[in-house]
Amino acid sequence: GAVVSQHPSRVICKSGTSVKIECRSLDFQATTMFWYRQFPKQSLMLMATSNEGSKATYEQGVEKDKFLINHASLTLSTLTVTSAHPEDSSFYICSARAGGPETQYFGPGTRLLVL
Amino acid sequence: AQSVTQLGSHVSVSEGALVLLRCNYSSSVPPYLFWYVQYPNQGLQLLLKYTSAATLVKGINGFEAEFKKSETSFHLTKPSAHMSDAAEYFCAVSVSGNTGKLIFGQGTTLQVKP
Repeated sequence: GAVVSQHPSRVICKSGTSVKIECRSLDFQATTMFWYRQFPKQSLMLMATSNEGSKATYEQGVEKDKFLINHASLTLSTLTVTSAHPEDSSFYICSARAGGPETQYFGPGTRLLVL
Repeated sequence: AQSVTQLGSHVSVSEGALVLLRCNYSSSVPPYLFWYVQYPNQGLQLLLKYTSAATLVKGINGFEAEFKKSETSFHLTKPSAHMSDAAEYFCAVSVSGNTGKLIFGQGTTLQVKP
């Protein structure tokens, strides 16, 4: 149990296009989902907190209009990178929470490469 | 505010040797602490967690960690390293207020030599 999936696992796009990444909790309902960004050889940096049915809460320095988050159901959150640029190339990881803070499960990550 | 510091960005041990990965935290309230492992190009897998119960926490794959309030530490250990333990390890603290937000340390790369 407690499986989180992400789709796609890897995506390459041209500069200026938009990319959508899906995060799904497969066998539980997630009250909250989190989106992280990880640069090579670095730690995870929280981008935003996504709550079902409400607006996402973004961390300081994260552009809301560039990284659109939609948490339409208790099992699905999406991150859309709008007008992607090469500097947006990174590893994006989501996590899903069910209940207390100790019950957070991570997805396998999505590798984004913007050419 | 909470923070986590992992001492040593790179640790190298021989197969069969003791593994010790250091983590110190800063928190104004009793923390929840976590150790995660990340294999290349993969997400994070929870090794173990401390949530104010027993101070010695046992996790998966033979790992354990001890919460020491007096030292503000939560070091990860394993008695005997396996080649398959080579990975990136992250210590994390849960942000207060039950938001579920995690603050991660910088990570420690564990290398296991044959």
